[in-house]
Amino acid sequence: DIQLTQSPSFLSASVGDRVTITCRASQGITNYLAWYQQKPGKAPKLLISGASTLQSGVPSRFSGSGSETEFTLIISSLQPEDFATYYCQQLDSYPTFGQGTKVDIK
Amino acid sequence: QVQLQESGPGLVKPSETLSLTCTASGDSFISDNYFYNWIRQPAGKGLEWIGRIYPNGRTMYSPSLRSRVSMSVDMSKNQFSLKMNSVTAADTAVYFCARWSGYSDDGFDIWGQGTMVTVSS
Repeated sequence: DIQLTQSPSFLSASVGDRVTITCRASQGITNYLAWYQQKPGKAPKLLISGASTLQSGVPSRFSGSGSETEFTLIISSLQPEDFATYYCQQLDSYPTFGQGTKVDIK
Repeated sequence: QVQLQESGPGLVKPSETLSLTCTASGDSFISDNYFYNWIRQPAGKGLEWIGRIYPNGRTMYSPSLRSRVSMSVDMSKNQFSLKMNSVTAADTAVYFCARWSGYSDDGFDIWGQGTMVTVSS
């Protein structure tokens, strides 16, 4: 199975900071990667699919890039509502998720 | 737009079978154009994909759960279901259903709110 490793697992940041989360795949997955945001007690919300396609209604401060084995989610200017846990997911074979990155308030 | 809602017993005894249903409602119903997935999340942990079903009944399961899981669909009720047998405490989790277009460059775009299942005697 394809494993996804996110880094960091936890990061502390301030409002206005630029935040970068990396997701590495154990083998090439073309661009078959999605990013989700999850807040406590809620279902995950799809932010980005196809590694870089922003979903309708998602703020433009979120962006995704990468291909094959290395992918990045960037939040250009962190807002209070962005404090959450972020997961990457690959859909190249049966789906798997990264372990998550919790973004907390510094 | 379609909404998904999970339902089922919140408490299951060890060694018994967990049964959950996901009901679609809203502007459209279970569509031939989408796969329907089950995902779970133990408290404080990450997401685990369990499997998916297509409205024609075609299924695909996670290799780690395949021996204990089955899924079915009832288009007349706009529902799809999950059964997991021989449950243990390790199966205690929030269970989500979610929709996927079937295209690998798409994600799971619509999720249910999740339902908590506790395995305990």
